[in-house]
Amino acid sequence: DAGVTQSPTHLIKTRGQQVTLRCSPISGHKSVSWYQQVLGQGPQFIFQYYEKEERGRGNFPDRFSARQFPNYSSELNVNALLLGDSALYLCASSLGTYTYEQYFGPGTRLTVT
Amino acid sequence: DQQVKQNSPSLSVQEGRISILNCDYTNSMFDYFLWYKKYPAEGPTFLISISSIKDKNEDGRFTVFLNKSAKHLSLHIVPSQPGDSAVYFCAASSNAGGTSYGKLTFGQGTILTVHP
Repeated sequence: DAGVTQSPTHLIKTRGQQVTLRCSPISGHKSVSWYQQVLGQGPQFIFQYYEKEERGRGNFPDRFSARQFPNYSSELNVNALLLGDSALYLCASSLGTYTYEQYFGPGTRLTVT
Repeated sequence: DQQVKQNSPSLSVQEGRISILNCDYTNSMFDYFLWYKKYPAEGPTFLISISSIKDKNEDGRFTVFLNKSAKHLSLHIVPSQPGDSAVYFCAASSNAGGTSYGKLTFGQGTILTVHP
């Protein structure tokens, strides 16, 4: 079975631009969570979506938004990019919103110049 | 506010010996704990988890211990193998207040190096 997939793998953007990252969960998983990991730190929670509804939001500015589609795939959007948004963005899927274990994709490496 | 802490940035162990990775937490509402392993250029891989109603969980070479009174958990790897060399993250979750388990709070990670 395919694991969590993310696209693109790498991305370079300029300050002020907007970016969209994509995630496809494991087949049968209905919950998707997004995390940001900067160098030397653990992943930081951004959003959780379940059945197309936002179920949790981390301490990130409104420039960050996300959505989930009927096929449970998800997109993370970041507007007005800042240098500090450079990070590895990880998507994780789980069976449901009350399922403990999350399974991560390989991530998208975003560089903002 | 670092609610989950891994105070050892790195650990070096000889092949065949035991690796012990430690994690402390401050939020008493956490009721589920997980360990992930991460190789460079890959996403974290789930290893093992433990509920707060237990104090030990084993899966092959991996054992997680939870000491709720001390708000401390540890991951034991026996015997350690060179392929275990990676960054290890502990993570915690809570369903307090009706929130979902969708939010994992991670520690900073510990780099484990297993020497042949």
